[in-house]
Amino acid sequence: GAGVSQTPSNKVTEKGKYVELRCDPISGHTALYWYRQSLGQGPEFLIYFQGTGAADDSGLPNDRFFAVRPEGSVSTLKIQRTERGDSAVYLCASSLPERGEETQYFGPGTRLLVL
Amino acid sequence: KNQVEQSPQSLIILEGKNCTLQCNYTVSPFSNLRWYKQDTGRGPVSLTIMTFSENTKSNGRYTATLDADTKQSSLHITASQLSDSASYICVVLHMDSNYQLIWGAGTKLIIKP
Repeated sequence: GAGVSQTPSNKVTEKGKYVELRCDPISGHTALYWYRQSLGQGPEFLIYFQGTGAADDSGLPNDRFFAVRPEGSVSTLKIQRTERGDSAVYLCASSLPERGEETQYFGPGTRLLVL
Repeated sequence: KNQVEQSPQSLIILEGKNCTLQCNYTVSPFSNLRWYKQDTGRGPVSLTIMTFSENTKSNGRYTATLDADTKQSSLHITASQLSDSASYICVVLHMDSNYQLIWGAGTKLIIKP
């Protein structure tokens, strides 16, 4: 496909469960970002990958959150022991960084609801 | 503290009218400023990116302005259409990083027929 895709589009889970959210970036994009967006707010940065490595994971709220990108393409955001406060839209974006004019292309997001 | 504030929080206008959305930021040092359009239930889509040396940039009916001295930006929408109904988010790139984006909360724009 031409754009960033994310699966599932919606996820409902119970408190305490484990969830995985998947992001397929635009082919060839080396940079991948995860954001979390609560209702009425702008996206909150979680983690940034350049290639396979997490260049910056300072936005992850706690150690229940973990993300991987083992082959430098698809990424999975993993949330352990989910809490109701984790309910949000999780957005993924990818880019091909060029100095000064980097455009991030966003996926449609995964809506996570923790009951 | 690095912040981006937008006003108004929400805006309702009639189809065909013009409107201007405001963005004030305190991010320093500043690299560039972006405006995104986000439709309900969708990811943000980039409208414009401006560096500190650019004063204005257009993308169709969207025109963004930037005053780096006063740390203010505006997004002007001309001849609004129903499809312009969305949230418009102002985002500033912190110069110390090429990926740390500081996001505003957005202005929710509703176009009525």
